[in-house]
Amino acid sequence: GAVVSQHPSRVICKSGTSVKIECRSLDFQATTMFWYRQFPKQSLMLMATSNEGSKATYEQGVEKDKFLINHASLTLSTLTVTSAHPEDSSFYICSASRRLAGRETQYFGPGTRLLVL
Amino acid sequence: EDKVVQSPLSLVVHEGDTVTLNCSYEVTNFRSLLWYKQEKKAPTFLFMLTSSGIEKKSGRLSSILDKKELFSILNITATQTGDSAIYLCAVEADWNQGGKLIFGQGTELSVKP
Repeated sequence: GAVVSQHPSRVICKSGTSVKIECRSLDFQATTMFWYRQFPKQSLMLMATSNEGSKATYEQGVEKDKFLINHASLTLSTLTVTSAHPEDSSFYICSASRRLAGRETQYFGPGTRLLVL
Repeated sequence: EDKVVQSPLSLVVHEGDTVTLNCSYEVTNFRSLLWYKQEKKAPTFLFMLTSSGIEKKSGRLSSILDKKELFSILNITATQTGDSAIYLCAVEADWNQGGKLIFGQGTELSVKP
């Protein structure tokens, strides 16, 4: 099956610093990757859709200057949380889209837990 | 505005019970409905439903979609403690909208021994 990895799996940082999270599709090329955020006891909220070689499309209410997304290759997308604050503490999950049998299927990474002190 | 609503939000049962989880949706350009199980990490895929009335089964889990009434149910029979998790329903919108998934709030299932 398709494998998507995220790194790091867990990160603790000080308020005001920036944190980069990587999402890789290990055994397939993903033209589209998605970034989600999940707060405790809540569902996954889509933050942005990332296409290789073009600017990401952000969902309403998500600050593009705060959550920088770079999709440099067909197997790697990065999310950088700039000037992180405690309210950015959350579980960040990426997914990578793969075309199989004529349809796109999303495969989720294991997630990254961010704690901002 | 597209939305997906799950009920109940939480459920506590005993081993051996049967549970039914509900998911209703209002989504423009519906493509498919997906069910996921989430334990401590990212969601794991259970089912994808695209056609009404066709039941999908996997062991003790089954699911069906009603595109006329805009809902789906997930059934778990003979529940086990290992079924304890959050069950997420998501609807995939048309690929022109980026193929994005719109998730419901989830149902937290707790199965007691």
